[in-house]
Amino acid sequence: QVQLQQSGPGLVKPSQTLSLTCAISGDSVSSNSATWSWIRQSPSRGLEWLGRTYYRSRWYNDYPLSVKSRIIITPDTSKNQFSLQLNSVTPEDTAVYYCARADDRSDFDYWGQGTLVTVSS
Amino acid sequence: QSALTQPASVSGSPGQSITISCTGTSSDVGGYNFVSWYQQHPGKAPKLMIHDVSNRPSGVSNRFSGSKSGNTASLTISGLQGEDEADYYCSSYTTNSTLKVFGGGTKLTVL
Repeated sequence: QVQLQQSGPGLVKPSQTLSLTCAISGDSVSSNSATWSWIRQSPSRGLEWLGRTYYRSRWYNDYPLSVKSRIIITPDTSKNQFSLQLNSVTPEDTAVYYCARADDRSDFDYWGQGTLVTVSS
Repeated sequence: QSALTQPASVSGSPGQSITISCTGTSSDVGGYNFVSWYQQHPGKAPKLMIHDVSNRPSGVSNRFSGSKSGNTASLTISGLQGEDEADYYCSSYTTNSTLKVFGGGTKLTVL
């Protein structure tokens, strides 16, 4: 059974960097049939896909244009986890952040527990 | 403003069937068979109910079914039960810069 365990601070100051980590059990971040994403949810923006990392003989990343200039998602094979860094945050980045796995044959089938991140001074 | 349009709310009585629509464009819902549906209970992460328009993951009740016609996808829940009361979200692959889009969500109330 795949499990995703999120960790990271719940409060970030404006203009600083939001950092979250998602530890994977029951699968490998280097899997050739899965992708690893970050998704956030807020009342004003709904569900928003932030990007993904995945391994297919080499590492790939995909990001939507809306956050591409200030986001990095990185895998850590030694700890079997992946991380999110979102730079230059504003109060509009306040949301519940989820990590999620997508299998090549389906979609987001496993999710982390969610982390409420508030951007406030 | 979500990329995919869903009704804000639907309701039904136990045992009845309901259908939730999800309208997009030819760049997303209409152009690809990569529509998924998620169920979310308050305070919980979304749960995948349907993928690739009409495929149910293992363990999801066969009371849940999906379909698509043109730019509109639909989720049908038959034999409504109290535990089905939740928010439902559709999502789709898209060719625009977003790559993945979600609907605004539909609140299902079981009367």
